Amino acid sequence: KQEVTQIPAALSVPEGENLVLNCSFTDSAIYNLQWFRQDPGKGLTSLLLIQSSQREQTSGRLNASLDKSSGRSTLYIAASQPGDSATYLCAVRIQGAQKLVFGQGTRLTINP
Amino acid sequence: NAGVMQNPRHLVRRRGQEARLRCSPVKGHSHVYWYRQLPEEGLKFMVYLQKENIIDESGMPKERFSAEFPKEGPSILRIQQVVRGDSAAYFCASSPQQLTGELFFGEGSRLTVL
Repeated sequence: KQEVTQIPAALSVPEGENLVLNCSFTDSAIYNLQWFRQDPGKGLTSLLLIQSSQREQTSGRLNASLDKSSGRSTLYIAASQPGDSATYLCAVRIQGAQKLVFGQGTRLTINP
Repeated sequence: NAGVMQNPRHLVRRRGQEARLRCSPVKGHSHVYWYRQLPEEGLKFMVYLQKENIIDESGMPKERFSAEFPKEGPSILRIQQVVRGDSAAYFCASSPQQLTGELFFGEGSRLTVL
């Protein structure tokens, strides 16, 4: 059974810092991995999608890496801003079942 | 380009009533997924459907819950005889046919059972 773990559960940093969010998964049989952002009371916004054959994806100040063999992904946020405050969710799309399995999320707070 | 549309956004029901949640996928997407998010918990998979077929319902409670995705119209998640424990945010996602496709989520339907 695929399990996805995100560390830390919560993170608070001052504005301007670079930071890393971690995601680990137990079964490497995945199609891809997606990072999402969720604001309080809102839906999920897709940030980055990494296919299983890829090592990283970049979008603006965000960079996500994938090491499928070790079951790890990281989301790097450069020059953090207060508007980056949200919960960040990692999810893997598992082979066979096709569904996304989510981690519990990291609640990020960027202090002005 | 409309994204995934869910309605109602908020729904209040009394115990024992029925709740119907609707989801219109991104145009051209043939795969629909329903997830539930309980307060202060992560997203849990409920059901995966393609047009007119339930592919995986391993996350659906055995009783009172049902889902459909008809040939025409939106996908429906139906909860009969709601109980307080059903209060949650219900999210719908859609993806294109490719297995490596990205999933897009709607804004969710927030069910409150009084």
